[in-house]
Amino acid sequence: EIVLTQSPATLSLSPGERATLSCRASQSLGSSLAWYQQKPGQAPKFLIFDASNRATGFPARFSGSGSGTDFRLTISRLEPEDSALYYCQHRGAFGQGTKLEIK
Amino acid sequence: EVQLVESGGGLVQPGGSLRLSCAASGFTFSSYWMSWVRQAPGKGLEWVSNINEDESEIKYVDSVKGRFTLSRDNAKNSLYLQMNSLRADDTAVYYCARERPLGARYFDYWGQGILVTVSS
Repeated sequence: EIVLTQSPATLSLSPGERATLSCRASQSLGSSLAWYQQKPGQAPKFLIFDASNRATGFPARFSGSGSGTDFRLTISRLEPEDSALYYCQHRGAFGQGTKLEIK
Repeated sequence: EVQLVESGGGLVQPGGSLRLSCAASGFTFSSYWMSWVRQAPGKGLEWVSNINEDESEIKYVDSVKGRFTLSRDNAKNSLYLQMNSLRADDTAVYYCARERPLGARYFDYWGQGILVTVSS
């Protein structure tokens, strides 16, 4: 069973800064990892697939990287609307999420 | 435009049953794997079950095996989750989600979710 561990649990940054969210897998995933964004009261949105490919509708400020067991989601030039929970996922496993707060 | 609309949620007593439905539109439903993902109040996401295009492959998370049954009707563009022997820890928002092709189990479209509350 694959376990995904996300860090940090909460990240508080200011507009214009860069956010780096981490997802570590208990075994190698190759590049088979996705990221989702979830805002309060909304369904998750598909953000990144195959570790580094951006899904439709998200700007280039959002980027994914990594392979094997270590993955990152980077959001540059943060905007207030980027405040959300971010989850990584591999097949039936989700990470516990990182809450990104933009103050 | 891809749309997934869940229905059938509500309040049910422990041990009871509920059937969730997901109506799909805006894409060729019969060509996609489909999944249910749930989220307990204040908690993270948990994949529950998925089904392939012709119902020949169906998978479940261990915690619902033997209690939940997933099915689909491609003629009606609909997905169903029959939930029996419900427990308090099944309380969650249940999302219907389309899986992106090529088998990586990425969820590229989600419904708005439906709340299931198991309580006496």
